[in-house]
Amino acid sequence: QKEVEQNSGPLSVPEGAIASLNCTYSDRGSQSFFWYRQYSGKSPELIMFIYSNGDKEDGRFTAQLNKASQYVSLLIRDSQPSDSATYLCAVRSFGNEKLTFGTGTRLTIIP
Amino acid sequence: GAVVSQHPSWVICKSGTSVKIECRSLDFQATTMFWYRQFPKQSLMLMATSNEGSKATYEQGVEKDKFLINHASLTLSTLTVTSAHPEDSSFYICSARVKDQPQHFGDGTRLSIL
Repeated sequence: QKEVEQNSGPLSVPEGAIASLNCTYSDRGSQSFFWYRQYSGKSPELIMFIYSNGDKEDGRFTAQLNKASQYVSLLIRDSQPSDSATYLCAVRSFGNEKLTFGTGTRLTIIP
Repeated sequence: GAVVSQHPSWVICKSGTSVKIECRSLDFQATTMFWYRQFPKQSLMLMATSNEGSKATYEQGVEKDKFLINHASLTLSTLTVTSAHPEDSSFYICSARVKDQPQHFGDGTRLSIL
């Protein structure tokens, strides 16, 4: 069974620090990797996506992918209270339209 | 870009009523739309995948006669919950994507069946 695993948290990070969110996946055929942010009571919002090994940066967010280790992470620099949310890792395999979601990591930024 | 609109935002209705939820891609033509359900403090559960002009593909355990999906155009998909009962109360979320691009989610519909 294809799985995506995340630590459910809560992960507490002081304001201004770097928040590091991790995700592992079991399917070596996975090709596309996504991070979504979901505020309580709201729908998921796409934050980052990454397809190739290495780092991809967008503003305060950096996605890191290591296919050999089957590991993808999201770094949030200069964390703000507004970053407090659940972060969902999602993976798509080659030829598959569907996403496999992790259960999410709840992040709390402490002022 | 990549805006997905979902309507209505919330519905409260009596048991036995059928409820229709619309999902529209506003600024792109979606090759595929997805319908999810999310219960409190749980992750997203995919209900079905639909492509324009073809029948939806339902996930195991999802009753296709109860959750009717119509994907009439590249910008519109509808989910009808037929004869809804209290156990159908949930947060229903659609998403849409163009081939090889990320899925973008609508704002969701909170359904409460009394």
